[in-house]
Amino acid sequence: GQNIDQPTEMTATEGAIVQINCTYQTSGFNGLFWYQQHAGEAPTFLSYNVLDGLEEKGRFSSFLSRSKGYSYLLLKELQMKDSASYLCAVRDLLSGGSYIPTFGRGTSLIVHP
Amino acid sequence: KAGVTQTPRYLIKTRGQQVTLSCSPISGHRSVSWYQQTPGQGLQFLFEYFSETQRNKGNFPGRFSGRQFSNSRSEMNVSTLELGDSALYLCASSPQTGGRETQYFGPGTRLLVL
Repeated sequence: GQNIDQPTEMTATEGAIVQINCTYQTSGFNGLFWYQQHAGEAPTFLSYNVLDGLEEKGRFSSFLSRSKGYSYLLLKELQMKDSASYLCAVRDLLSGGSYIPTFGRGTSLIVHP
Repeated sequence: KAGVTQTPRYLIKTRGQQVTLSCSPISGHRSVSWYQQTPGQGLQFLFEYFSETQRNKGNFPGRFSGRQFSNSRSEMNVSTLELGDSALYLCASSPQTGGRETQYFGPGTRLLVL
């Protein structure tokens, strides 16, 4: 099975930087995803990490350490529209070649002026 | 290119009934995954279909089933509905299965079981 932990809620100021952490326990790690979900909308893909290190994409970056079972999503130059829930998801490769994606409960980020 | 579409968008059923939800993936995408999202449990994986075959399955009872057609459209069925099945059901499509393929989510079907 899997266990994914991320903070329930975070607040930050417009223009600032915020880091959302995610820790996980898995038996067959096969990639970690970050999604953004605005209230009442479907999740949208932000990033994918399968190797250790930092992946940068515009204002958003995602880091992975497989040995520590740890990832973070870094959001720079925060904008009001970044207020949303951020979901960490781990894909676990099972014997036989199938895989199961497991999502964390999500971190609700509130950006205030 | 049109996005993932799901029908119906809203549905009200009573306990014991069954329901069928439909998902049309992005043109050219062959993988369709289904998820259940509730405030209490978050987003949970139901199953994935690829080329008309169920490739992966989450930890849900047999009341939850699905299928995929030759045009990659997929349906999900829930039989003998329970109050706890009230949720947002999301489908997501991707070109292939596995790998770093980005999943594109549909708007979801919000199911209320009374």
